[in-house]
Amino acid sequence: AQRVTQPEKLLSVFKGAPVELKCNYSYSGSPELFWYVQYSRQRLQLLLRHISRESIKGFTADLNKGETSFHLKKPFAQEEDSAMYYCALGDSWGKLQFGAGTQVVVTP
Amino acid sequence: GAGVSQSPSNKVTEKGKDVELRCDPISGHTALYWYRQSLGQGLEFLIYFQGNSAPDKSGLPSDRFSAERTGGSVSTLTIQRTQQEDSAVYLCASSLAVGGGYNEQFFGPGTRLTVL
Repeated sequence: AQRVTQPEKLLSVFKGAPVELKCNYSYSGSPELFWYVQYSRQRLQLLLRHISRESIKGFTADLNKGETSFHLKKPFAQEEDSAMYYCALGDSWGKLQFGAGTQVVVTP
Repeated sequence: GAGVSQSPSNKVTEKGKDVELRCDPISGHTALYWYRQSLGQGLEFLIYFQGNSAPDKSGLPSDRFSAERTGGSVSTLTIQRTQQEDSAVYLCASSLAVGGGYNEQFFGPGTRLTVL
């Protein structure tokens, strides 16, 4: 069965410290993985997707098929990174299955 | 340009009443998705449209839920005989085409439904 697991509900880090949000998935086919972010009082929005292999706002995520993981990383957290982050698994029709989300709080 | 819009932004209803939630996708987007965000279940997929067709309704939680899309544009999610467990934020998203990959989904602000 498809599943997306984000083990951390809350991640509290200091400004300038590295941050890593964990995401593990189970999927029988070829996965399409995404990270979505929801800032306070804003809409859910795409942060990055694995096929683009891009860095957005300093964040990167590498798909590790062996470990079935898609962890999100940033070397130096900023206060504006405080938000709710969702890992999502997409199928060929674009249906997204979301993890439970990780609330990131960056303190100065 | 205009993003995805949803109305109403908030809806309070009594148990047993019917409600209609509306989604206006980005113009030209053929794919439209409905999700629900609730405290107990997190973010869950409900239904998607390719044009006016809904090939997959597997996410609808019960037969009290239905959705339609007309003119390849506006979509309405209807919940009949609402129950308290229907209380949630209902999110709509649209994308240029069906499929993942480079088809980014753009989300609306959501409709917060409260069933008393």
